[in-house]
Amino acid sequence: DAKTTQPPSMDCAEGRAANLPCNHSTISGNEYVYWYRQIHSQGPQYIIHGLKNNETNEMASLIITEDRKSSTLILPHATLRDTAVYYCIVRGSTDSWGKLQFGAGTQVVVTP
Amino acid sequence: DTGVSQDPRHKITKRGQNVTFRCDPISEHNRLYWYRQTLGQGPEFLTYFQNEAQLEKSRLLSDRFSAERPKGSFSTLEIQRTEQGDSAMYLCASSLAGVANSPLHFGNGTRLTVT
Repeated sequence: DAKTTQPPSMDCAEGRAANLPCNHSTISGNEYVYWYRQIHSQGPQYIIHGLKNNETNEMASLIITEDRKSSTLILPHATLRDTAVYYCIVRGSTDSWGKLQFGAGTQVVVTP
Repeated sequence: DTGVSQDPRHKITKRGQNVTFRCDPISEHNRLYWYRQTLGQGPEFLTYFQNEAQLEKSRLLSDRFSAERPKGSFSTLEIQRTEQGDSAMYLCASSLAGVANSPLHFGNGTRLTVT
């Protein structure tokens, strides 16, 4: 499986956009980029996923570079409730029964 | 919308005792996964079911661990002769096979403390 690299932590001011980077330089052509977040004492929460096109939903936007070697998760207007560990995961479409392999993630702290 | 449900939320047990956790997936989901998460780490894959068939087990799943999904609906994870190293959050997730890239949806886990 391709692996991802994320910064261990980042801070963001409430109301501002949070841009979370992820490197996945060994990603294969059929592998998707997934983002999850985990708020303290809860299970991981699905945010968004994409293959090569940019994606947007009610939670966030996902920007994938043209060479697919990196991506950015954008939280457009961060709130205190967005404080969490954010995981960027590369997932094959057919291998390993679709299981996810988590890294250490990025601890995001949103401050007032 | 009922998500993935896990029971109990917390379990404290003494070393050497057996414990069993239950997971109820989202009703139409036929794939079910168990993960373990220790403090400061991301979740680690333990095992996977499609319907009632257990199709993959991680090397992390020692002989003291057993998981079942007898009717392809809820699942149980049993740990026999618990050790202090088993203390962790045990997470269950489910997804829909046959739908390309169906995301995994997680429950809020069972936190096990072995004293």
